[in-house]
Amino acid sequence: EYVLTQSPGTLSLSPGERATLSCRASQTLSYDYLAWYQQKPGQAPRLLIYGASTRATGIPDRFSGTGSGADFTLTISRLEPEDFAVYYCQQHDSSPRTFGQGTKVEIK
Amino acid sequence: QVQLVESGGGAVQPGRSLRLSCRASGFSFRSYGMHWVRQAPGKGLEWVALIWYDGIKKDYADSVKGRFTIARDNSNNTLSLQMNSLRAEDMAVYYCARDLGGGDYYVFDYWGQGTLVTVSS
Repeated sequence: EYVLTQSPGTLSLSPGERATLSCRASQTLSYDYLAWYQQKPGQAPRLLIYGASTRATGIPDRFSGTGSGADFTLTISRLEPEDFAVYYCQQHDSSPRTFGQGTKVEIK
Repeated sequence: QVQLVESGGGAVQPGRSLRLSCRASGFSFRSYGMHWVRQAPGKGLEWVALIWYDGIKKDYADSVKGRFTIARDNSNNTLSLQMNSLRAEDMAVYYCARDLGGGDYYVFDYWGQGTLVTVSS
């Protein structure tokens, strides 16, 4: 089973700043099948990125995903007020599909 | 627009059963795989079960295998999750989610609002 470790646990930033979130897999993914989701309090998650770098429909281009193998990154180029939330990575590579524990991006 | 609406959650004692439903609209339900994903209170996300677009192939997390059954009715655009022998650790918000494709992506591109299952004596 792939274990995904996200870092940092919490990221304190101001609007307009750049956010860099990391997701590391316990083993190299076979096909770089890594997705990112955003979740706000009391809401369902929203798909941002899949296949490590493909933005989902309607996702602004300030969100970008990079990485391969076992190390992946979600970058938010300039934080908007609505971007403060918890972000989860998920590997959609092999069974069982697993999620990371989440990174909270909070307002500094 | 795509809508997924769950129902059926509630409070139940350990060992009892509960059936969740998800009504889909705004897309061709019969063309997409569907999942259940859960989130324990204050915790992260856990994939639970998948059913392919045609209902033939199913997949379960080890934690629920043999206790939960996923099913779909493509004529009524509904997804269900029969949960038997419930345990305290099954307590969570259960989300139904659409697969990006017919069932082999395991990427969840639309989610319902979730339904809370509480397991307690």
